[in-house]
Amino acid sequence: DAKTTQPNSMESNEEEPVHLPCNHSTISGTDYIHWYRQLPSQGPEYVIHGLTSNVNNRMASLAIAEDRKSSTLILHRATLRDAAVYYCILIPDHGGSQGNLIFGKGTKLSVKP
Amino acid sequence: DGGITQSPKYLFRKEGQNVTLSCEQNLNHDAMYWYRQDPGQGLRLIYYSQIVNDFQKGDIAEGYSVSREKKESFPLTVTSAQKNPTAFYLCASSMTHEGVYGYTFGSGTRLTVV
Repeated sequence: DAKTTQPNSMESNEEEPVHLPCNHSTISGTDYIHWYRQLPSQGPEYVIHGLTSNVNNRMASLAIAEDRKSSTLILHRATLRDAAVYYCILIPDHGGSQGNLIFGKGTKLSVKP
Repeated sequence: DGGITQSPKYLFRKEGQNVTLSCEQNLNHDAMYWYRQDPGQGLRLIYYSQIVNDFQKGDIAEGYSVSREKKESFPLTVTSAQKNPTAFYLCASSMTHEGVYGYTFGSGTRLTVV
């Protein structure tokens, strides 16, 4: 299964944009790029996902490199509630469901008031 | 609202006891999963089920057992054979084509051996 590489931690000021990078140089053609975030003692929460094109939703934007070997999660205005561990994971779509999610250590985002 | 409900949120187990963690979903998802998360670590797959009455072992199934008698329910039993059961347990579900639709996670159960 393809792996991703993220910085261990990042800091942001409240109400400023945050760009969280992810490298996935061994991504395959059927891999979707998903982002989840997790607060302490809670389950991961879906943020956004995409395949090739940039994506926007009410929580964030996802910018995907043209060669798909990297992506960036963009929080447009960070709030204190955005402080969490953010995981970038690749989920292949080949019709089966085997649950082999490779959640690495993610990026711990701190937001300063 | 549809979602996954895990209970209890906190569970304490004595040495030698079996305990069962509940996971219920009302998302009409076919597949369900159990993961274990240790401090500062990623998720490790315990068991998964793609359809009712069928389930498969994941990477760390030893000392655990599951059942899938109903589409909505996927309980996990932590048996006394599990040597180090203290961890955070997460249940998840997905539709087929999980790459397209992603996973939905429950809020977790923290199990502590006392």
